[in-house]
Amino acid sequence: AQSVTQLGSHVSVSEGALVLLRCNYSSSVPPYLFWYVQYPNQGLQLLLKYTTGATLVKGINGFEAEFKKSETSFHLTKPSAHMSDAAEYFCAVDNTDKLIFGTGTRLQVFP
Amino acid sequence: EAGVAQSPRYKIIEKRQSVAFWCNPISGHATLYWYQQILGQGPKLLIQFQNNGVVDDSQLPKDRFSAERLKGVDSTLKIQPAKLEDSAVYLCASSRTGGTEAFFGQGTRLTVV
Repeated sequence: AQSVTQLGSHVSVSEGALVLLRCNYSSSVPPYLFWYVQYPNQGLQLLLKYTTGATLVKGINGFEAEFKKSETSFHLTKPSAHMSDAAEYFCAVDNTDKLIFGTGTRLQVFP
Repeated sequence: EAGVAQSPRYKIIEKRQSVAFWCNPISGHATLYWYQQILGQGPKLLIQFQNNGVVDDSQLPKDRFSAERLKGVDSTLKIQPAKLEDSAVYLCASSRTGGTEAFFGQGTRLTVV
């Protein structure tokens, strides 16, 4: 069965600092991997996805993630945090056309 | 294009009452999902439809939850009777046939007291 583990339920950074949110997956087949963002009282919005091809994936709002098969990881990064990045972030793996989500990481950004 | 529409946004009911949620997916999206998101957790799939047929309902508590998708478009999710542990946000999502990107609605926040 496919699964996702997000390390760190809360991450705090200063505005302008590097953002790193960790995600490890378990899959018996080549995975499709996703990062979604959820703002308060909102649904989930797709940040980026990896299906095949280039392992470094660029998404919206300056985020990117790198698929590392050897480490079974798909960490999300952003070089410089902005106050508006404060939200809940979910990593997900596609399991035969349905998404399996991690438990989420809440990102706080301090001025 | 219009996004996934859900209603109501918020609902408060007493335990043992019944409640229904409505979802209208993006036009042309054949696949529709209902997810349950309990506070502090990631969304958990309850049921997946392909057109008006059920693909996966293995995690749907069928003794109290039911869902239907009429004519392969709109969908309703019902809980009867509700329990305190059903308090959660219920998210509807849709995707194109065979697509891997799901688009989510804003969700319905259910509080059972």
